[in-house]
Amino acid sequence: GQQVMQIPQYQHVQEGEDFTTYCNSSTTLSNIQWYKQRPGGHPVFLIQLVKSGEVKKQKRLTFQFGEAKKNSSLHITATQTTDVGTYFCAGQGRNTDKLIFGTGTRLQVFP
Amino acid sequence: DSGVTQTPKHLITATGQRVTLRCSPRSGDLSVYWYQQSLDQGLQFLIQYYNGEERAKGNILERFSAQQFPDLHSELNLSSLELGDSALYFCASSVSGGWGTGELFFGEGSRLTVL
Repeated sequence: GQQVMQIPQYQHVQEGEDFTTYCNSSTTLSNIQWYKQRPGGHPVFLIQLVKSGEVKKQKRLTFQFGEAKKNSSLHITATQTTDVGTYFCAGQGRNTDKLIFGTGTRLQVFP
Repeated sequence: DSGVTQTPKHLITATGQRVTLRCSPRSGDLSVYWYQQSLDQGLQFLIQYYNGEERAKGNILERFSAQQFPDLHSELNLSSLELGDSALYFCASSVSGGWGTGELFFGEGSRLTVL
């Protein structure tokens, strides 16, 4: 079945450093979403990408969908302590309602 | 507040027992998703309903079952509980079902502890 992997599993950065997490699907996706889960909280939607090669920006966050629609990345510029949490990608395959979450990347930011 | 309500928030029970988790989606949302999150793990997709019908199934155990009622609330039933079923169970809702399902709104989760 469809699998979605993320790397790295953990990332510790100094405040002000950049951070990137990568997401890879075993199958071609119709769309990909990104979520952030703060410690002790629930996942919160960040963005959805639909088009091949699409790039979207939200302030310090840049999201990219690969040309083959099988991979995606999230880049955070100049991390802040408020960025702490686990970032999940979630892929939806073609002709299915399933939204499969990636394994997640836990980000820790040290002041 | 996402608008998705899950009850109970916490539940402690013994092995072999049966529990029911309840989810009320956001007003107007027709789709309900159930996910299981074990300690420090990812979100495992269990099942999805759209407007009362099962639409997609993940790696849901045969001991687990779910349904969505005419008022669109959903229940997840877990039976013959084992220690390994201890986890946080999330419900999420979205406006639509189907391809390009759009943003999921998650509830706060129901934390199940099996002793």
